[in-house]
Order: sequence, then structure tokens, then C-alpha cells
Amino acid sequence: GQNIDQPTEMTATEGAIVQINCTYQTSGFNGLFWYQQHAGEAPTFLSYNVLDGLEEKGRFSSFLSRSKGYSYLLLKELQMKDSASYLCAVPQSNSGNTPLVFGKGTRLSVIA
Amino acid sequence: DTEVTQTPKHLVMGMTNKKSLKCEQHMGHRAMYWYKQKAKKPPELMFVYSYEKLSINESVPSRFSPECPNSSLLNLHLHALQPEDSALYLCASSQDLRVEAFFGQGTRLTVV
Repeated sequence: GQNIDQPTEMTATEGAIVQINCTYQTSGFNGLFWYQQHAGEAPTFLSYNVLDGLEEKGRFSSFLSRSKGYSYLLLKELQMKDSASYLCAVPQSNSGNTPLVFGKGTRLSVIA
Repeated sequence: DTEVTQTPKHLVMGMTNKKSLKCEQHMGHRAMYWYKQKAKKPPELMFVYSYEKLSINESVPSRFSPECPNSSLLNLHLHALQPEDSALYLCASSQDLRVEAFFGQGTRLTVV
């Protein structure tokens, strides 16, 4: 099974940088996803990491360390619209078309 | 077309009613999912269809009945629901593990 842990809430200032951590324990590993979800809306895909290291995509970057069971999402030049929940997710198993298991999500509040 | 379309967007039903939620995608994805999400909680998996066959049922009560008429459509039939079943019901689809799952906007269900 999977056990995913991330902080419940974070607050950061507009224009700043924030790092959202995620630790996981899985019986098999086939990648880690980050999703963004605004209140009342569907989750939207941000990133996918399957190899160790940093993947950069514009203002958002995601890091993975498989040996440590650890990932983080880095958000730069924060904007008010970045206020949302950020969900760390791993596939339920490492074979076939299997669904994502989500962490509890981190609610990020960006303040002026 | 990179959308997953869900209807209706909102639904209010009584405990004796029968209703259906609908989900449609035209991306050629062969896996489709139903998730349930309560306020301030992550999405929780209910059902998975792979190649139009039910592959995972996460011990969901029989008052929820999924149906996959074809590779583009996924329904969730509701009967004799309880007030605690009120939630956001999300449909998602994916091609395989190595790309993201696409989520619909969800149906916000209220059982009265």
C-alpha cells in the first residue's frame, strides 16, 4: 500500500518562494505526481517525477529522491492565484493502468 | 480535445431518488475512474474501469453502481443515498501510468 505525508497548511508572501514537501512509503514505485486544486474545482496536473532530481517547468519545479522517499514542489515568484491545495500522489501499484492515491494535500495561502 | 466532461455540475436528490452522474472523454484513454471528495479532503478512489471492464472497486456501498457503456463514457448510478454521501464526485481518465490523469470538473452532490 501507500502512505503519503505532506503538511496540512502553509502561508507565503506574494513574490516569495515556497517549498511543499511530500514523503511517501510505497510497496512499489512508479513515479510521483503533483496536482493543484483550487477550491471547488478539479485537480489539475503539475508535474511527474520518476527519476531522481529536479524537473523545472516555469515557476514550478518538482524534486524527487527515491532513496529517501521524498519529493518537494517548489513555487517561485508566488502569485495570489497560486493559493490552492497541492496534492502529492503516487500510483496505487506499479503495474498496468492503476489509479492515483492522493496525500491529504497542502493548502497554500498566498498573502500580499 | 483534452477534456473530461461531467454532467450535471450540481445535483440535489432525496434519499429515495434514483439519479445518474455522467462522464465523457474523447482522448482515447482506456482507463476511467470515479473519485469522491469531501470538503478539505483529498480525492478518494471509488471505482476503476480499464478497457471498459471494472478492475477496482474500493469497497464502495452498493447504493453506488458504476457503468461503462463504451470506451468514452462512464456513468455512476445513485440509489437510496444517505446525507453523508454528499460530496464532490470527480471523474478522471488516463492513458497509462506515465502520463497525467485528466479530471473532470466534478458533480457537486447534495443528498437531502
